[in-house]
Amino acid sequence: AAGVIQSPRHLIKEKRETATLKCYPIPRHDTVYWYQQGPGQDPQFLISFYEKMQSDKGSIPDRFSAQQFSDYHSELNMSSLELGDSALYFCASSLGEGRRRNTEAFFGQGTRLTVV
Amino acid sequence: AQSVTQLDSHVSVSEGTPVLLRCNYSSSYSPSLFWYVQHPNKGLQLLLKYTSAATLVKGINGFEAEFKKSETSFHLTKPSAHMSDAAEYFCVVTSNQAGTALIFGKGTTLSVSS
Repeated sequence: AAGVIQSPRHLIKEKRETATLKCYPIPRHDTVYWYQQGPGQDPQFLISFYEKMQSDKGSIPDRFSAQQFSDYHSELNMSSLELGDSALYFCASSLGEGRRRNTEAFFGQGTRLTVV
Repeated sequence: AQSVTQLDSHVSVSEGTPVLLRCNYSSSYSPSLFWYVQHPNKGLQLLLKYTSAATLVKGINGFEAEFKKSETSFHLTKPSAHMSDAAEYFCVVTSNQAGTALIFGKGTTLSVSS
Protein backbone atom coordinates (compact mmCIF):
# COMPACT_ATOMS: atom_id res chain seq x y z
CA ALA A 1 0.00 0.00 0.00
CA ALA A 2 1.13 3.53 -0.74
CA GLY A 3 2.51 5.44 2.21
CA VAL A 4 3.38 9.04 2.96
CA ILE A 5 6.44 10.05 0.96
CA GLN A 6 8.82 12.71 2.18
CA SER A 7 11.72 14.19 0.32
CA PRO A 8 14.54 14.57 0.74
CA ARG A 9 15.31 12.00 3.44
CA HIS A 10 18.40 13.86 4.55
CA LEU A 11 19.38 17.48 4.12
CA ILE A 12 22.39 19.45 5.26
CA LYS A 13 22.25 23.22 5.18
CA GLU A 14 24.34 26.06 6.52
CA LYS A 15 23.10 28.70 8.91
CA ARG A 16 21.00 31.41 7.27
CA GLU A 17 20.26 29.24 4.23
CA THR A 18 16.79 28.15 3.16
CA ALA A 19 15.34 24.67 2.88
CA THR A 20 12.22 23.20 1.33
CA LEU A 21 10.80 19.90 2.53
CA LYS A 22 8.20 18.07 0.50
CA CYS A 23 5.45 15.72 1.54
CA TYR A 24 3.26 13.54 -0.66
CA PRO A 25 0.27 12.19 1.27
CA ILE A 26 -1.40 8.86 0.84
CA PRO A 27 -3.68 9.01 -2.22
CA ARG A 28 -7.14 10.43 -1.42
CA HIS A 29 -5.99 11.79 1.94
CA ASP A 30 -7.01 15.42 2.26
CA THR A 31 -5.24 16.40 5.48
CA VAL A 32 -1.52 16.97 5.99
CA TYR A 33 0.35 17.62 9.24
CA TRP A 34 3.92 18.77 9.82
CA TYR A 35 5.87 17.89 12.97
CA GLN A 36 9.34 18.68 14.24
CA GLN A 37 11.15 16.15 16.44
CA GLY A 38 14.39 17.18 18.12
CA PRO A 39 16.84 14.58 19.46
CA GLY A 40 15.23 12.64 22.28
CA GLN A 41 12.10 14.79 22.08
CA ASP A 42 8.47 14.14 21.32
CA PRO A 43 7.13 15.38 17.99
CA GLN A 44 6.04 19.02 18.13
CA PHE A 45 3.11 20.05 15.97
CA LEU A 46 3.92 22.79 13.48
CA ILE A 47 0.97 23.19 11.15
CA SER A 48 -1.78 21.28 9.38
CA PHE A 49 -3.85 21.65 6.25
CA TYR A 50 -7.27 20.33 5.31
CA GLU A 51 -8.43 20.56 1.71
CA LYS A 52 -5.58 22.91 0.86
CA MET A 53 -6.37 25.41 3.59
CA GLN A 54 -4.56 25.86 6.86
CA SER A 55 -6.47 23.96 9.49
CA ASP A 56 -4.48 24.29 12.69
CA LYS A 57 -1.27 26.00 13.74
CA GLY A 58 1.18 25.05 16.40
CA SER A 59 4.68 26.15 17.31
CA ILE A 60 5.80 27.03 13.81
CA PRO A 61 8.38 29.83 13.73
CA ASP A 62 7.68 32.90 11.62
CA ARG A 63 10.72 31.93 9.52
CA PHE A 64 8.82 28.85 8.36
CA SER A 65 5.88 28.71 6.00
CA ALA A 66 3.93 25.88 4.46
CA GLN A 67 1.21 25.24 1.97
CA GLN A 68 -0.82 22.44 0.48
CA PHE A 69 -1.14 22.35 -3.27
CA SER A 70 -3.98 21.36 -5.59
CA ASP A 71 -2.64 17.80 -5.81
CA TYR A 72 -2.63 17.70 -1.97
CA HIS A 73 1.11 17.51 -1.62
CA SER A 74 2.59 19.93 0.87
CA GLU A 75 5.82 21.86 1.20
CA LEU A 76 7.46 23.27 4.30
CA ASN A 77 9.68 26.24 3.55
CA MET A 78 12.29 27.17 6.10
CA SER A 79 14.33 30.34 5.85
CA SER A 80 17.19 31.89 7.82
CA LEU A 81 18.03 28.48 9.19
CA GLU A 82 19.45 28.26 12.69
CA LEU A 83 21.43 25.51 14.38
CA GLY A 84 18.41 24.80 16.56
CA ASP A 85 16.35 23.90 13.51
CA SER A 86 18.31 20.66 13.21
CA ALA A 87 15.71 17.97 13.74
CA LEU A 88 13.67 15.23 12.17
CA TYR A 89 10.69 16.69 10.33
CA PHE A 90 7.71 14.42 9.92
CA CYS A 91 4.81 14.79 7.61
CA ALA A 92 1.60 12.86 8.21
CA SER A 93 -1.62 12.52 6.28
CA SER A 94 -5.14 11.49 7.16
CA LEU A 95 -8.60 11.36 5.70
CA GLY A 96 -10.74 14.14 7.08
CA GLU A 97 -14.09 12.68 6.05
CA GLY A 98 -15.70 16.05 5.61
CA ARG A 99 -14.32 17.39 8.87
CA ARG A 100 -16.61 15.12 10.82
CA ARG A 101 -13.93 12.93 12.24
CA ASN A 102 -10.22 13.16 12.86
CA THR A 103 -9.02 9.79 11.67
CA GLU A 104 -5.61 8.36 12.40
CA ALA A 105 -2.61 9.97 10.81
CA PHE A 106 -0.07 8.01 8.84
CA PHE A 107 3.45 9.29 9.15
CA GLY A 108 6.22 9.45 6.61
CA GLN A 109 9.78 8.36 7.35
CA GLY A 110 10.80 11.95 7.98
CA THR A 111 13.41 14.34 6.67
CA ARG A 112 16.46 14.71 8.83
CA LEU A 113 17.65 18.29 8.59
CA THR A 114 21.09 19.18 9.84
CA VAL A 115 22.06 22.83 10.03
CA VAL A 116 25.79 23.47 10.29
CA ALA B 1 -7.53 22.29 24.31
CA GLN B 2 -6.06 18.85 24.50
CA SER B 3 -3.05 17.54 26.38
CA VAL B 4 -1.63 14.17 27.23
CA THR B 5 0.61 12.96 30.04
CA GLN B 6 2.62 9.80 29.87
CA LEU B 7 3.29 8.89 33.45
CA ASP B 8 6.51 6.96 32.92
CA SER B 9 9.45 8.15 30.85
CA HIS B 10 11.07 4.71 30.97
CA VAL B 11 9.68 1.23 31.56
CA SER B 12 11.83 -1.88 31.79
CA VAL B 13 10.42 -5.40 31.60
CA SER B 14 11.70 -8.90 31.05
CA GLU B 15 10.80 -10.82 27.94
CA GLY B 16 7.57 -12.73 28.45
CA THR B 17 6.25 -10.47 31.22
CA PRO B 18 3.33 -8.03 30.90
CA VAL B 19 3.75 -4.48 29.65
CA LEU B 20 1.86 -1.46 31.00
CA LEU B 21 2.45 2.01 29.59
CA ARG B 22 0.33 4.66 31.26
CA CYS B 23 -1.33 7.64 29.62
CA ASN B 24 -3.71 10.27 30.97
CA TYR B 25 -5.36 12.83 28.76
CA SER B 26 -7.17 16.12 29.02
CA SER B 27 -9.63 17.25 26.40
CA SER B 28 -12.36 19.83 26.07
CA TYR B 29 -14.15 17.66 23.56
CA SER B 30 -14.77 13.98 23.05
CA PRO B 31 -11.26 12.96 22.16
CA SER B 32 -9.73 10.58 19.70
CA LEU B 33 -6.78 8.78 21.23
CA PHE B 34 -3.93 6.88 19.61
CA TRP B 35 -0.79 5.02 20.51
CA TYR B 36 2.16 5.26 18.14
CA VAL B 37 5.46 3.37 18.30
CA GLN B 38 8.80 4.63 17.07
CA HIS B 39 11.78 2.35 16.66
CA PRO B 40 15.25 3.94 16.59
CA ASN B 41 15.79 6.07 13.50
CA LYS B 42 12.40 5.06 12.15
CA GLY B 43 9.11 6.77 11.52
CA LEU B 44 5.98 6.60 13.65
CA GLN B 45 3.75 3.58 13.33
CA LEU B 46 0.16 3.46 14.55
CA LEU B 47 -0.44 0.74 17.14
CA LEU B 48 -4.11 1.34 17.86
CA LYS B 49 -6.79 4.01 18.04
CA TYR B 50 -9.86 4.96 20.03
CA THR B 51 -12.48 7.06 18.25
CA SER B 52 -15.61 6.77 20.46
CA ALA B 53 -16.48 3.22 19.55
CA ALA B 54 -15.54 0.25 21.76
CA THR B 55 -13.64 1.31 24.88
CA LEU B 56 -11.30 -1.70 24.72
CA VAL B 57 -9.22 -1.34 21.62
CA LYS B 58 -7.02 -4.04 20.13
CA GLY B 59 -4.04 -3.09 18.04
CA ILE B 60 -1.18 -4.68 16.21
CA ASN B 61 1.48 -6.95 17.69
CA GLY B 62 -0.73 -8.01 20.60
CA PHE B 63 -1.13 -4.56 22.12
CA GLU B 64 -4.41 -3.26 23.47
CA ALA B 65 -5.64 -0.22 25.34
CA GLU B 66 -8.71 0.65 27.35
CA PHE B 67 -10.37 4.05 27.27
CA LYS B 68 -11.63 5.01 30.73
CA LYS B 69 -13.47 8.30 30.65
CA SER B 70 -13.94 8.45 34.42
CA GLU B 71 -10.18 8.20 34.92
CA THR B 72 -9.26 10.11 31.74
CA SER B 73 -6.85 7.32 30.97
CA PHE B 74 -5.83 5.31 27.93
CA HIS B 75 -3.20 2.86 29.18
CA LEU B 76 -1.42 0.54 26.75
CA THR B 77 -0.93 -3.09 27.69
CA LYS B 78 0.48 -6.30 26.29
CA PRO B 79 0.32 -9.66 28.06
CA SER B 80 3.79 -10.82 27.12
CA ALA B 81 6.67 -8.61 26.03
CA HIS B 82 8.93 -9.52 23.15
CA MET B 83 12.42 -8.24 22.51
CA SER B 84 11.21 -6.55 19.35
CA ASP B 85 8.82 -4.41 21.42
CA ALA B 86 11.72 -2.30 22.67
CA ALA B 87 11.02 1.17 21.29
CA GLU B 88 9.62 4.60 22.09
CA TYR B 89 5.86 4.75 22.59
CA PHE B 90 3.78 7.89 22.23
CA CYS B 91 0.25 8.49 23.45
CA VAL B 92 -1.56 10.98 21.22
CA VAL B 93 -4.80 12.92 21.68
CA THR B 94 -6.79 14.98 19.26
CA SER B 95 -10.23 16.44 18.91
CA ASN B 96 -12.78 14.98 16.54
CA GLN B 97 -12.52 17.84 14.07
CA ALA B 98 -10.56 16.89 10.99
CA GLY B 99 -7.22 18.55 10.63
CA THR B 100 -6.77 19.61 14.22
CA ALA B 101 -3.40 18.90 15.74
CA LEU B 102 -2.50 15.53 17.12
CA ILE B 103 -0.90 16.29 20.46
CA PHE B 104 1.89 13.94 21.52
CA GLY B 105 2.89 12.92 25.00
CA LYS B 106 6.55 13.05 25.99
CA GLY B 107 6.97 9.39 25.18
CA THR B 108 7.82 6.25 27.13
CA THR B 109 10.93 4.27 26.35
CA LEU B 110 10.25 0.55 26.69
CA SER B 111 13.27 -1.66 27.35
CA VAL B 112 12.94 -5.44 27.17
CA SER B 113 15.59 -7.69 28.65
CA SER B 114 16.10 -11.38 28.01
